[in-house]
Amino acid sequence: DAGITQSPRHKVTETGTPVTLRCHQTENHRYMYWYRQDPGHGLRLIHYSYGVKDTDKGEVSDGYSVSRSKTEDFLLTLESATSSQTSVYFCAISGTLAGVQYFGPGTRLTVT
Amino acid sequence: GENVEQHPSTLSVQEGDSAVIKCTYSDSASNYFPWYKQELGKRPQLIIDIRSNVGEKKDQRIAVTLNKTAKHFSLHITETQPEDSAVYFCAPPKEGGGADGLTFGKGTHLIIQP
Repeated sequence: DAGITQSPRHKVTETGTPVTLRCHQTENHRYMYWYRQDPGHGLRLIHYSYGVKDTDKGEVSDGYSVSRSKTEDFLLTLESATSSQTSVYFCAISGTLAGVQYFGPGTRLTVT
Repeated sequence: GENVEQHPSTLSVQEGDSAVIKCTYSDSASNYFPWYKQELGKRPQLIIDIRSNVGEKKDQRIAVTLNKTAKHFSLHITETQPEDSAVYFCAPPKEGGGADGLTFGKGTHLIIQP
């Protein structure tokens, strides 16, 4: 597996609380992505980054924000968690534009 | 945006038989065609990919074929084994081939019957 980690791996939180998920890579890859995975929907892109401080929205960005202050870290924040954000979140990295992506181990988030 | 469809959504085959999963896409400019495998509880991992300048690529028991005219590419697994049981995703680049990366299909659940 590429040098990519996610933390935490599991989290249970209450509706309305803020949550931050971290993705850390040691590959020095330029592109980073956050996906959510839900049954019947495959992998859906939330936000992506194409460099330090360069981020943009994906197809399901409502309720999420991201930050990338250094190459190796990409943070996903749920400002006020809702039950619809219960999901498995995957971070991915890529060294090439629209090229192969390497995934982190995932974070299982439950919002009660 | 890129429209990606995978068929079938579920495929059950006898161990030792072959399995074929098809992916159709809409962006005629796509030039990269990967397949990912996700075992239960694990992360998706690339298993094979192909560039648009070739029609077929093989790696042991798996192969990918590309038909650019018809805008589809397929994953072929021969002599299936229990460890092939997983969800498979095709993921051509998003329309425009930009930094937003790949469009993942909804997945095909492959079940290998003993």
